[in-house]
Amino acid sequence: DADVTQTPRNRITKTGKRIMLECSQTKGHDRMYWYRQDPGLGLRLIYYSFDVKDINKGEISDGYSVSRQAQAKFSLSLESAIPNQTALYFCATSTGTGNYGYTFGSGTRLTVV
Amino acid sequence: GENVEQHPSTLSVQEGDSAVIKCTYSDSASNYFPWYKQELGKRPQLIIDIRSNVGEKKDQRIAVTLNKTAKHFSLHITETQPEDSAVYFCAAKGYTEGAQKLVFGQGTRLTINP
Repeated sequence: DADVTQTPRNRITKTGKRIMLECSQTKGHDRMYWYRQDPGLGLRLIYYSFDVKDINKGEISDGYSVSRQAQAKFSLSLESAIPNQTALYFCATSTGTGNYGYTFGSGTRLTVV
Repeated sequence: GENVEQHPSTLSVQEGDSAVIKCTYSDSASNYFPWYKQELGKRPQLIIDIRSNVGEKKDQRIAVTLNKTAKHFSLHITETQPEDSAVYFCAAKGYTEGAQKLVFGQGTRLTINP
């Protein structure tokens, strides 16, 4: 689905560099999330936002920051990348009402060397 | 807050056989339970879900059952095919850290052997 778009798809960066991962959605959902997935591990929540003025830390927020620029845009930043932040990153969205699942973006594979 | 445990972590079955993946949850107030399939290198995609007022739901070869008393739910795949090989995640919608959101299990890597 092109309705949750992540950029870039792949990125290699050097230790200590600042990097931003971007997510945009056309689903009209209020809620947006950033997850990290490591090999053999599940989905771990980094940050989430229930509306433009709402930002919340997830279970592994250290070393990350986010910005909700608009209802449709939610960016994740690594201020000073380190090798153990090498992972697959997913953005997800959901409606704020009713019981429905999340829609995931196509993911960003980040390698920190 | 909500905690979801998923078993087994890996599962290998012969093509045509059935596969069952089980999850337990801790928050009795959780009311929505989706299942996601993630093929290699791709995004997790919702394949089936169940709400707490329903005990079972079926969609072609996949079904989900929910036992609210025991706080567990299961994914059943019948007549498995090679394209069923993937990682499957269960989730429960419950309260964690003051907010209601999905809590995911650790995932099950399902391999279908031809």
